Order: sequence, then C-alpha cells, then structure tokens
Amino acid sequence: QKEVEQDPGPLSVPEGAIVSLNCTYSNSAFQYFMWYRQYSRKGPELLMYTYSSGNKEDGRFTAQVDKSSKYISLFIRDSQPSDSATYLCAMSGSSGANNLFFGTGTRLTVIP
Amino acid sequence: DAGITQSPRHKVTETGTPVTLRCHQTENHRYMYWYRQDPGHGLRLIHYSYGVKDTDKGEVSDGYSVSRSKTEDFLLTLESATSSQTSVYFCATKTSGNTGELFFGEGSRLTVL
Repeated sequence: QKEVEQDPGPLSVPEGAIVSLNCTYSNSAFQYFMWYRQYSRKGPELLMYTYSSGNKEDGRFTAQVDKSSKYISLFIRDSQPSDSATYLCAMSGSSGANNLFFGTGTRLTVIP
Repeated sequence: DAGITQSPRHKVTETGTPVTLRCHQTENHRYMYWYRQDPGHGLRLIHYSYGVKDTDKGEVSDGYSVSRSKTEDFLLTLESATSSQTSVYFCATKTSGNTGELFFGEGSRLTVL
C-alpha cells in the first residue's frame, strides 16, 4: 500500500465550476500537508500548506485536512482555464521535507 | 521565483554511460534535494543535502550518487545509466525550518537507450 493515494484523473470541468481534489494517506504520523501545482513541463510550485487538521483558505483555494479520516482535500472555486495543471498532494511527519511523500498527481483541465 | 537552474534540461544517453546532472541555486538555501518523477509513482526522493559535504539517501538512491562541494551546487551522478533511470529529474531547495515548502527547478529530462 502506498503512503499516499491520489486519483490521477484526468479531470475536466467547465470554467467557473467548483473543483474538488482529494488524497488519502495511511501514516497517522503525518502532520504537514501541502498541495503543489505543476504546469506541463515545469517544476511543481507550492500552492497551499497546512499544519495538522483544519481548513485554510487563500483566495479561490481552500485546503482541508481531516486527520481522523486520513483524508485531505483541495477545493478550487470559480475555476479558470489558468488552473489547468497537475495538482500534487504532499505530506510529512516531524522530519519535514526530508521525508516528504507525494501523491501521483491529478491532472485538471478547465474548459473555457 | 527561487533561482534554481538545472542542466542539462534534456539528455539522451546510452546504457552504461555515466551521466551528471547539475543543480545550481542562487537563494543560499541550506537544503537541496534530487527527485525523480515517473508516471504512476509521482515524485520520489533520490538524495538530499543538508549542507556542504553533508548528504543522505532518499527512497530510491540505488544507482545514484551526489556531491555538494559548494552551497549553491548539488550534483547528481548516475555512474552507469540504465533504462530504468529514464525519468524527469527535479532539483529542489528549502530554507532551514521544519516546513514542506520546496522550491523546484524546471526539471531535467533524461532518456537512457
């Protein structure tokens, strides 16, 4: 069983839709949770960062962490064509980025 | 953008040849990482460095070695490339502190024939 499971998609939505991206994990020691966005042929860039459980909002993006269910989500409101990218979840325990586990990524296309 | 430059960006080589990928950063970040990205596997850590001459193995380190003689440079070497090492390689950096915010380079696409 992988440490982190993520539905690879692909996911296609019309412009303006609400997008929900999800990851599940098996290691209860994970306490740092991240979402990275990766455009085609580019390196990933950090989008959202959450410590422990709860919600975090940044503009059109909301990250949720449910540690009891070992489930994290990223919501994108009013999706735009510029949101078309692959979204990677990532998480780690107390060792931080030296032992960061990534999901395989969900490819999102927002259709104008 | 964090100043991270990877070279070469693309390389085709033959099985058994040595290959060195270079990562250069201008941010003076302490930590540097080499990942490989493959379909169905996501990003996997190969090696990382927590200072000049201080390196450690990651999840998929077999067949790879690294060196860091200066803060700004982190080299990844495949001593004898194999077809299973065909991948996209990403360098990343991080400041000190226990967070997951990595800054990634643009990637080096390696094909081993």
